[in-house]
Amino acid sequence: DIQMTQSPSSLSASVGDRVTITCRASQSIISYLNWYQQKPGKAPKLLIYAASSLESGVPSRFNGGGSGTDFTLNISSLQPEDFATYYCQQSYSSPPTFGGGTKVEIK
Amino acid sequence: QLQLQESGPGLVKPSETLSLTCTVSGGAISSNNNYWGWIRQPPGKGLEWIGSIHYSGDTYYNPSLKSRVTISIDTSKTQFSLKLSSVTAADTAVYYCARAPPVGATDSWGQGTLVTVSS
Repeated sequence: DIQMTQSPSSLSASVGDRVTITCRASQSIISYLNWYQQKPGKAPKLLIYAASSLESGVPSRFNGGGSGTDFTLNISSLQPEDFATYYCQQSYSSPPTFGGGTKVEIK
Repeated sequence: QLQLQESGPGLVKPSETLSLTCTVSGGAISSNNNYWGWIRQPPGKGLEWIGSIHYSGDTYYNPSLKSRVTISIDTSKTQFSLKLSSVTAADTAVYYCARAPPVGATDSWGQGTLVTVSS
């Protein structure tokens, strides 16, 4: 299985801050990388697929990048509704595997 | 709009079989591009893909669970199901059904159902 490593595991930030979360794959996954947002008690929500494509309805302050083994999720200006846990997932090979998550908390 | 809803017992005894059903509405369960799957999340932990099924019946399982998992589909009822045998406390988790291709993004999720394994 392909291992996905996210960093940091948690961060504290203020409204308006720019936030960057990184995700590293144990082997090249080209651009088969997806990002999800999960709020407490809720199902994950797809934000970005294929490393940089924004899912319909997701605000443009979310931006994804990278290829190969290293990927980033950027939130350009953190909003109150963005405080959540974010997961990356590789969809290059089965089984699809998830990173351990990054919890974004209010500073 | 596609909607998925899990149903099934919230408590299962150790060594028994966990059984869940997902009802799909607002979309074609038999669409050639749709794979339907199960993903779980132990309390306070991360996400684990369990497996997926195509309406044709083709199944894809996580090798770590393959010996205990069966996913089936009933297109006439627009439902698909999960069976996980010989459960232990480690199988306690929120179980999500989703439109989940074995290779691809999971873009629609059910609300999730907590299944606790305990005597």
